[in-house]
Amino acid sequence: DIQMTQSPSSLSASIGDRVSITCRASQNIRKYLNWFQQKPGKAPKLLIYSASSLQSGVPSRFSGSGSGTDFTLTISSLHPEDFATYFCQQSYIAGFTFGPGTNVDIK
Amino acid sequence: QITLKESGPTLVKPTQTLTLTCTFSGFSLSSNGVGVGWIRQPPGKALECLALIYWDDDKRYSPSLKSRLTITKDTLKNQVVLTMTNMDPVDTATYYCAHLMSGYGSEYFDYWGQGTLVSVST
Repeated sequence: DIQMTQSPSSLSASIGDRVSITCRASQNIRKYLNWFQQKPGKAPKLLIYSASSLQSGVPSRFSGSGSGTDFTLTISSLHPEDFATYFCQQSYIAGFTFGPGTNVDIK
Repeated sequence: QITLKESGPTLVKPTQTLTLTCTFSGFSLSSNGVGVGWIRQPPGKALECLALIYWDDDKRYSPSLKSRLTITKDTLKNQVVLTMTNMDPVDTATYYCAHLMSGYGSEYFDYWGQGTLVSVST
């Protein structure tokens, strides 16, 4: 199995802050890395696929980077609706494992 | 417009078999590059991908749960069915189905159902 880790596990930020979340894979997954946002009681929402491609309809303040084992999700300027939990997911090998999540809350 | 909806029991007893149905619209599971996956999330915990089925009937399973899972599709009915045997209280979770886009260099779940909470208890 490919293991996914995320850091930090949680962070507190203010409206307008630049926020970065890191995801690391236990082996090379090339660019088969997706990012999701999830709010309480809701299904996950795809933000970024293939490490850096912005899903249609997702605001441009979200961006992704990385390849191989290390990846980053960046929110350039935090909006009120961005307070949520963020998950990375590898889609390179069956199992399609998710990271444990990063909770972004209001400082 | 792509939509998916999960259906099945909300409560199962330990050792029973769970059968969940994903009924979808807005796409065909016979179209090249399309798949449907099942993902679950125990309360307050992370997501876990259970199984995938592709347009060509290729199937992929979580290595740790493979012995307990079966995924099938009915292209005419626009349904995907997941069965999980020998249910245990640790399998209590919200179960989601999702539309999968598969192409060169990418595979991702872009549309999700609302999820269905399944509890395992006597």
